[in-house]
Amino acid sequence: GAVVSQHPSRVICKSGTSVKIECRSLDFQATTMFWYRQFPKKSLMLMATSNEGSKATYEQGVEKDKFLINHASLTLSTLTVTSAHPEDSSFYICSASGTSGNNEQFFGPGTRLTVL
Amino acid sequence: QQPVQSPQAVILREGEDAVINCSSSKALYSVHWYRQKHGEAPVFLMILLKGGEQKGHDKISASFNEKKQQSSLYLTASQLSYSGTYFCGTDSGGYQKVTFGTGTKLQVIP
Repeated sequence: GAVVSQHPSRVICKSGTSVKIECRSLDFQATTMFWYRQFPKKSLMLMATSNEGSKATYEQGVEKDKFLINHASLTLSTLTVTSAHPEDSSFYICSASGTSGNNEQFFGPGTRLTVL
Repeated sequence: QQPVQSPQAVILREGEDAVINCSSSKALYSVHWYRQKHGEAPVFLMILLKGGEQKGHDKISASFNEKKQQSSLYLTASQLSYSGTYFCGTDSGGYQKVTFGTGTKLQVIP
């Protein structure tokens, strides 16, 4: 159990366009979802925390208007990179935690975004 | 602040042991350990929730020293499949928000 999917797995887009990434918990209800960004050979950096039905909490330095997060249901969160630029190219990973209370996070397989 | 891991990188021969350390500047509620293979998402290894707790499965175990705000991951009799980058993740508030450490690249060679 505890499977998290992400779609798409890879996306290439032109500079200035918007890209939407979906994160779904397939077999459990995710009260909280997290979005991370990882640059090559670097650690994962938390971008934001989203709770179902409320506004996301962004980490310092992350632009809310550029990285739009929506957590409309207990199984789906979306990250939209608006007006993407080449410097937004990165590996975006979501994770979800359930209601079991044991603090474990389940990671999606990641989405590799390349902005040309 | 990002937890600091040491060593940054290590090469082992199959069967050798390794220790990876994770040190935080903040008081910790829990420590998570993950392994990430190239191009893939991190895979959860274990969580330690209490100071002094030790956990393990197979030949991978970990300890958590709450007072020192440190955790260590122990890999014994390493296998080729252990290769990857290991990250600790620390939770300082108990709200499941995990801050990932700097990472340790482990390579096991035959």
